[in-house]
Formats: sequence, structure tokens, C-alpha cells
Amino acid sequence: DVKVTQSSRYLVKRTGEKVFLECVQDMDHENMFWYRQDPGLGLRLIYFSYDVKMKEKGDIPEGYSVSREKKERFSLILESASTNQTSMYLCASRRTVNTEAFFGQGTRLTVV
Amino acid sequence: AQKITQTQPGMFVQEKEAVTLDCTYDTSDPSYGLFWYKQPSSGEMIFLIYQGSYDQQNATEGRYSLNFQKARKSANLVISASQLGDSAMYFCAMREGRVQGGSEKLVFGKGTKLTVNP
Repeated sequence: DVKVTQSSRYLVKRTGEKVFLECVQDMDHENMFWYRQDPGLGLRLIYFSYDVKMKEKGDIPEGYSVSREKKERFSLILESASTNQTSMYLCASRRTVNTEAFFGQGTRLTVV
Repeated sequence: AQKITQTQPGMFVQEKEAVTLDCTYDTSDPSYGLFWYKQPSSGEMIFLIYQGSYDQQNATEGRYSLNFQKARKSANLVISASQLGDSAMYFCAMREGRVQGGSEKLVFGKGTKLTVNP
């Protein structure tokens, strides 16, 4: 079974902290994605990557950066966390020739 | 502009009846794919069905079928014989970009909350 694992299920951070959200997939997928999910807004794409060291901005990249040093790992970085970044963060991965994308269990981040 | 539009924030259906969840999309890419995902209250994202832009037939998976109307840019999900366990959020999503290498974007709609009544 394909597995996408996010490092934390729940996280509480202080305003101004640098926050790392980690995502690891075990099926050699080329494509990886970070989303945030907020009520009424669905899943909004933050960043995506199609190869090691390659990244592209999604629809809401402001305040975030990403890192993909190894194919299996895609990290989301909040350079200076703010309260409006309190949200559920979802990581997903997909092989280009496959159909479905696989999701991690999500990280609920609260910034206080 | 929104790439994926789900116009029904909430839908209600009686158990054992069929229900259609609407999805329209916007892309100029000739190669794209459309997905439907289910998210129950537990939060996990469950893949339901996929339709490629070049697929000749509408996709079906058990009780789920996708009513793909390319000219109208719509990809509605039809759930037949609804069950209580179908109560969940449903998201429509679109993959666009080159399949053979290169970047591939995957964007979602705002979702429809389906409630199945006994």
C-alpha cells in the first residue's frame, strides 16, 4: 500500500516561529503537493514539486516555502508563523502516469 | 479565476436514492484529468473516481459514476443507491499539465457536503 506520512498530526506554534511540516511518501512518486484546508474554502494549493529540487508556486504561496532534497520527502516551511496560518495542512503525492493522488493524514497547525 | 467550481455547498438525499454532485472546470490544456474525493468526518481523503480528458467513456466505479461532458466542461459525480455512510464532504479536483514529465498541478474545488437521511 502506498503511504504518505506527515510528521505531526497536531502542532501548536507561537507567532513568529519558523515551522517545518514534513511529508514522506514511500512509492517513488514524482509529484508532491502541499495544501491547506479551511472551512468553506476547500483545499488550496500552496506549492507543488515534480522532481528533486524542483518546485512551483501554487495558488497561495505567500508566507510559505518548500524544500525537496530527496524524492520521497517534501517539506513545507512557514518562515515566520502568523495566526492566519492556523489551518489543516495536507500533503499529497502522485505518480505522473497513475490516476489517484494519495494523501497524508493531515497536520492541524495552530499558531498562537 | 477558479479552476474548479462546485456550486452546491450542501446537498441532502434520502437513503437508497441517487444523487448528483456538480463540478465544472476551466482549463485550456488539452490533456487533463478529473478526480472526485470523499472526506468523511474522520478527515481522510478517499479517492473515488478518475476521468482523463481523452477517455472515450464515462468512468464508473461501483456505485460511483462520472458524468463527463467535455464541451460543457462539467464532470458531475453520480452516486447511486445512497447509503448513510456516504455522508461526507466531496471534492472535485483537476490535474493539468504535461503527463510526460514537467510540472503537474492538482487543484481542488471548495467541496459539497452531502447528507444522507434515513
